[in-house]
Amino acid sequence: AQSVTQLGSHVSVSEGALVLLRCNYSSSVPPYLFWYVQYPNQGLQLLLKYTTGATLVKGINGFEAEFKKSETSFHLTKPSAHMSDAAEYFCLIIQGAQKLVFGQGTRLTINP
Amino acid sequence: ETGVTQSPTHLIKTRGQQVTLRCSSQSGHNTVSWYQQALGQGPQFIFQYYREEENGRGNFPPRFSGLQFPNYSSELNVNALELDDSALYLCASSPAPGFSNEQFFGPGTRLTVL
Repeated sequence: AQSVTQLGSHVSVSEGALVLLRCNYSSSVPPYLFWYVQYPNQGLQLLLKYTTGATLVKGINGFEAEFKKSETSFHLTKPSAHMSDAAEYFCLIIQGAQKLVFGQGTRLTINP
Repeated sequence: ETGVTQSPTHLIKTRGQQVTLRCSSQSGHNTVSWYQQALGQGPQFIFQYYREEENGRGNFPPRFSGLQFPNYSSELNVNALELDDSALYLCASSPAPGFSNEQFFGPGTRLTVL
C-alpha cells in the first residue's frame, strides 16, 4: 500500500529564512509526486510536480523540490521565506491510474 | 477564463438527511474529481467523473454518489448523513482523466452535520 508522511504538522520560520517541508512516501512502483498549497478559505493550488526526468523540480513562487528515490523523499524548499508563504502545504503521491494519497499537511507560519 | 466554482459555500444538515453539492468545472475541462477534507487532514479522494461516467472511486460507501452533466459540471450527493461526514468538500477539474495533469480546485463547500 502506498502512503505519504509529512514530518511536522506545523513549521515556523522567520521571514527570509530557508523553508524546508518534508515529505516521505512508500510506493512499490515509481510514483508521481506533487506539492499543493492551500491558503485560508481557498482551494488547493499546484506548486510543482514530478513525473519523470529531472529530479530537481522548480515550481511557482520560488519553491522547488527534489525527488530522491533512495530516500523515498520529495522535500519542498524555498531559499527565503516571505510572509505570503504562510499557508497549508500538502504532498500528494499518485501511483497508477486511480491510486492517490495526500499527506496530512504541514502548516507553515512565517515570523516577521 | 472562469475557475472552478462550488455551491453552496456552507451548509448545515442534521444526521440522516441528504445533501447535494455542486461544482462547475473550469472552461475546457472534461474531468471532475471530488475530495473530502476533514479538519486537520489532507483531502481524501471520493470519485472522479469523466464525460459523464464515473472514472474511479476511493474508499467511500455507496451513499456517496455523483453525477456529471453534459456541460461537465458535477454534483456530489450524500445520503443518510452521519456526524463524521462533517468536512470541507473539494471539487477539482482537469483537462483529461486520471491525475497526472494539474487539478484546479474550487474553494470548497463546508458541510456541518449536527
